[in-house]
Amino acid sequence: NAGVTQTPKFQVLKTGQSMTLQCAQDMNHNSMYWYRQDPGMGLRLIYYSASEGTTDKGEVPNGYNVSRLNKREFSLRLESAAPSQTSVYFCASSVTGGFFSDTQYFGPGTRLTVL
Amino acid sequence: GQQVMQIPQYQHVQEGEDFTTYCNSSTTLSNIQWYKQRPGGHPVFLIQLVKSGEVKKQKRLTFQFGEAKKNSSLHITATQTTDVGTYFCAGGTGGFKTIFGAGTRLFVKA
Repeated sequence: NAGVTQTPKFQVLKTGQSMTLQCAQDMNHNSMYWYRQDPGMGLRLIYYSASEGTTDKGEVPNGYNVSRLNKREFSLRLESAAPSQTSVYFCASSVTGGFFSDTQYFGPGTRLTVL
Repeated sequence: GQQVMQIPQYQHVQEGEDFTTYCNSSTTLSNIQWYKQRPGGHPVFLIQLVKSGEVKKQKRLTFQFGEAKKNSSLHITATQTTDVGTYFCAGGTGGFKTIFGAGTRLFVKA
């Protein structure tokens, strides 16, 4: 039982390059999330998927796209990377997002640098 | 928009001293969660509070949820070096979105 896994762990991109961050969970959770973490800013929600087949924008969606490939996998794509997207990206999952926000289980993170 | 403010941003303590971090929301929350992130690590869930005025304890950690469900606190008694890290509160807004505070980074000097 690996929990939430993310690949890659580190990535360096040049401005304008594209890439996809992968996330998978083996806990049979319904909801999945992508956050970015910048120094002093806490965690900001980029996109989330309440259940398989649905995705919605979070607080900072501009410059990103997501795909909920199946119940296990939720990917984040940067179509044209910019230096402002240099950050640590965390994927998280929860059993289901109901009235009370569920406990979220986080992956180890991807440290992305855009030059 | 909805915000969750967390103070202080940093706290340096001597081992054995107490530590408290506070969260304040601009709106009423459905629930609040607390997470701990060790340096270089990922956030790990500590506890969830749902009821107005709720108080929960985990060994040396005491968590409170305000009567109006707009504020919360985490108090650590007699800090240890293992308590080092960043503590985040996360306010539930009803539904899927959780708003994280910016976190309080705790430094403990042995």
